[in-house]
Amino acid sequence: ETGVTQTPRHLVMGMTNKKSLKCEQHLGHNAMYWYKQSAKKPLELMFVYNFKEQTENNSVPSRFSPECPNSSHLFLHLHTLQPEDSALYLCASSQEGVSRNEKLFFGSGTQLSVL
Amino acid sequence: DQQVKQNSPSLSVQEGRISILNCDYTNSMFDYFLWYKKYPAEGPTFLISISSIKDKNEDGRFTVFLNKSAKHLSLHIVPSQPGDSAVYFCAAPLTGNQFYFGTGTSLTVIP
Repeated sequence: ETGVTQTPRHLVMGMTNKKSLKCEQHLGHNAMYWYKQSAKKPLELMFVYNFKEQTENNSVPSRFSPECPNSSHLFLHLHTLQPEDSALYLCASSQEGVSRNEKLFFGSGTQLSVL
Repeated sequence: DQQVKQNSPSLSVQEGRISILNCDYTNSMFDYFLWYKKYPAEGPTFLISISSIKDKNEDGRFTVFLNKSAKHLSLHIVPSQPGDSAVYFCAAPLTGNQFYFGTGTSLTVIP
């Protein structure tokens, strides 16, 4: 148990559906992240929130929409996805401070399949 | 542009022997490195880290070596156990919250 909980664990959706991924961290961290893991590719950073403010958006298509209502919760809203968006979506958190020797704590991920 | 590279997608080792997983990086600004371990259907979990002021860090069966001049780090697991079978990622953070990950090496420890 890493202290980062993601739901659902698995999601199958059609290209016209709207769904949301949820992440909650119980570690008191001040930064939360969405990563995408596709087969044989490095983990791709999608979004970063520091103190609820979005600080990174790595050229992610607008069909992915993040929401961070507070420092413990993070959502990824999905709409009109494409089959190539099928991947494992990982949430992570960290405590950002003076030291750069921070580490990420990951949730178990949501395995998304877009049909 | 992949700044952290793991060129071996897979590795098989006999139980009890040493496993050596390699990682190369291109950005000389990296000064802290991490290894993560990932089981199927789970998120990556932190394993061990090393700061660039050191060339070795040890934690039980796991040792990470850093060669800054070669921009290379390696993770040694000895003795390897079947429960070590997983995908291992090396990672390095840069400014802000940018963590760069390798593509991972899938380790299989054969009983």
